[in-house]
Amino acid sequence: GAGVSQTPSNKVTEKGKYVELRCDPISGHTALYWYRQSLGQGPEFLIYFQGTGAADDSGLPNDRFFAVRPEGSVSTLKIQRTERGDSAVYLCASSRDRGPTEAFFGQGTRLTVV
Amino acid sequence: KQEVTQIPAALSVPEGENLVLNCSFTDSAIYNLQWFRQDPGKGLTSLLLIQSSQREQTSGRLNASLDKSSGRSTLYIAASQPGDSATYLCAVTTSGTYKYIFGTGTRLKVLA
Repeated sequence: GAGVSQTPSNKVTEKGKYVELRCDPISGHTALYWYRQSLGQGPEFLIYFQGTGAADDSGLPNDRFFAVRPEGSVSTLKIQRTERGDSAVYLCASSRDRGPTEAFFGQGTRLTVV
Repeated sequence: KQEVTQIPAALSVPEGENLVLNCSFTDSAIYNLQWFRQDPGKGLTSLLLIQSSQREQTSGRLNASLDKSSGRSTLYIAASQPGDSATYLCAVTTSGTYKYIFGTGTRLKVLA
């Protein structure tokens, strides 16, 4: 596609529920990143995929967070037993190649846990 | 652990002024540095990418410089316009990793 696409753009869920956030990277981009951004802060790294595998998941805050990219394209970030502290904007980015090349971000999913 | 700091946190200038935004990082062993723009409630738009071997990059009214040894980058905006109002973020990738570490941004307001 022309850019990184994230769905939904907004998600409101009740505390304790399960949510899935989807990211469609730029076609042909092998690297995919998830970040989380709280109000007034810079994005915080969660996980990086190279192809289908998670090359670095050191930013996932706990085992309630999980992400997959089964075919090396679309990725899903999954959050179990959501908590109010999970409320944030979740950003996805992709880049062309292995290695730290220019990253292109989607518009984000605003998650609100009530 | 890489830390990125941006100064000032907020800046308000009259239209037409040239301005400089600052970014500093603690670990000089970086692969590259990227400047982004973020409009309220939106994602990030890439402005300029500087590889570690480069000293500057230019795009239109924007010029970004990199001094890796001192851990600093500046984003220069010439002849600022109200449409430049946004938050500007810098991010670095550190050697041995592929993740970007972000600063907290500079909130810029250009007054008409």
